[in-house]
Amino acid sequence: KQEVTQIPAALSVPEGENLVLNCSFTDSAIYNLQWFRQDPGKGLTSLLLIQSSQREQTSGRLNASLDKSSGRSTLYIAASQPGDSATYLCADFHTGNQFYFGTGTSLTVIP
Amino acid sequence: GAGVSQSPRYKVAKRGQDVALRCDPISGHVSLFWYQQALGQGPEFLTYFQNEAQLDKSGLPSDRFFAERPEGSVSTLKIQRTQQEDSAVYLCASSLPGGARSNYGYTFGSGTRLTVV
Repeated sequence: KQEVTQIPAALSVPEGENLVLNCSFTDSAIYNLQWFRQDPGKGLTSLLLIQSSQREQTSGRLNASLDKSSGRSTLYIAASQPGDSATYLCADFHTGNQFYFGTGTSLTVIP
Repeated sequence: GAGVSQSPRYKVAKRGQDVALRCDPISGHVSLFWYQQALGQGPEFLTYFQNEAQLDKSGLPSDRFFAERPEGSVSTLKIQRTQQEDSAVYLCASSLPGGARSNYGYTFGSGTRLTVV
């Protein structure tokens, strides 16, 4: 079974800092990888989707990279804002019909 | 609709009670998925439909869990004789054909939080 790990489990930064969230997966034979945001009591909001043939995707202040050979993805958030506070989940589509999710990184941006 | 709609948002059930959770996917999305998210954990796959066909139910934890999508749109996840370990958020997601293999990924609903007491 694919194992997805996210480090750190929790992160607290002052407003304005740039930060990196890490995601690693055990089997590099993935089709794509997706980063989600989850606010308390809410569902998942898709942030970025990277196909296996791609190295990175960008949307606004967010940049996600994918290195299949090392089994890693990172989510870079530039100039963090209090509104970025949420749990960030990475998930990879490996086989079958499902994503395998990590346990998430809980981010707090302090004003 | 504009998004994936799930109802109820919250459900409290007494142990042993049967519950039914509803998912209205985005119009035109043929693929539908159910996930279970325990507190502090990432979502875990339960089952997958393409139109009305349940193509994968490998994630259903026991035979107390049953999902259906009879007309290829609305889906219902039913849990019989609920147990305390069933307490979780149940998330529904829909996708264009290709599901997670596509360029579009999933669109998730807000989930149903089930608490079994």
